[in-house]
Amino acid sequence: AQKVTQAQTEISVVEKEDVTLDCVYETRDTTYYLFWYKQPPSGELVFLIRRNSFDEQNEISGRYSWNFQKSTSSFNFTITASQVVDSAVYFCALSEAGRETSGSRLTFGEGTQLTVNP
Amino acid sequence: NAGVTQTPKFQVLKTGQSMTLQCAQDMNHEYMSWYRQDPGMGLRLIHYSVGAGITDQGEVPNGYNVSRSTTEDFPLRLLSAAPSQTSVYFCASSFLGPNSPLHFGNGTRLTVT
Repeated sequence: AQKVTQAQTEISVVEKEDVTLDCVYETRDTTYYLFWYKQPPSGELVFLIRRNSFDEQNEISGRYSWNFQKSTSSFNFTITASQVVDSAVYFCALSEAGRETSGSRLTFGEGTQLTVNP
Repeated sequence: NAGVTQTPKFQVLKTGQSMTLQCAQDMNHEYMSWYRQDPGMGLRLIHYSVGAGITDQGEVPNGYNVSRSTTEDFPLRLLSAAPSQTSVYFCASSFLGPNSPLHFGNGTRLTVT
């Protein structure tokens, strides 16, 4: 069975601080996909990034970066120079390998509430 | 471009009442799914569909029914609401394939008293 653990329930930082959100996953599949979603206070869920299990390159997008390490089953998310607008709940999710005729049956972590204070 | 549209946004039911949460998407996505979000539990998959006429159960299907008569619509039915079904419900869609990012609706906040 798949499992995603986000051990940090809540994180509070001051604007311009760097912050890392942890994500640890469990799966028996050798091929899988990892995702991060953002849920701002308005409630919608916004897709941030997808990572394939066979691609361990880190990725940077502006102030956001992701560190994928298969050896530790982790897919951590770092926000550099945080801003108040980064305040949201962030979810890490795992998709089991499946046929191309299947869909993304995501297993979500519990979420991390990030609060960035001015 | 509406994306995924859910109605209603809020609903209050009494125990035993039934209702249907509506979900429609205009992106021609084959895959649609319903999740519920509860505090401290993330999102859990209720039911999903890989195309019209095809549905299957997710992690927490009890108390819910779905049907998929068209590509665009995927309603979720509560036959006899229970307080344990108080939650925020999200509909999501994507193209087929386990690596396809889900596009979510804005959610329906349901309270069962």
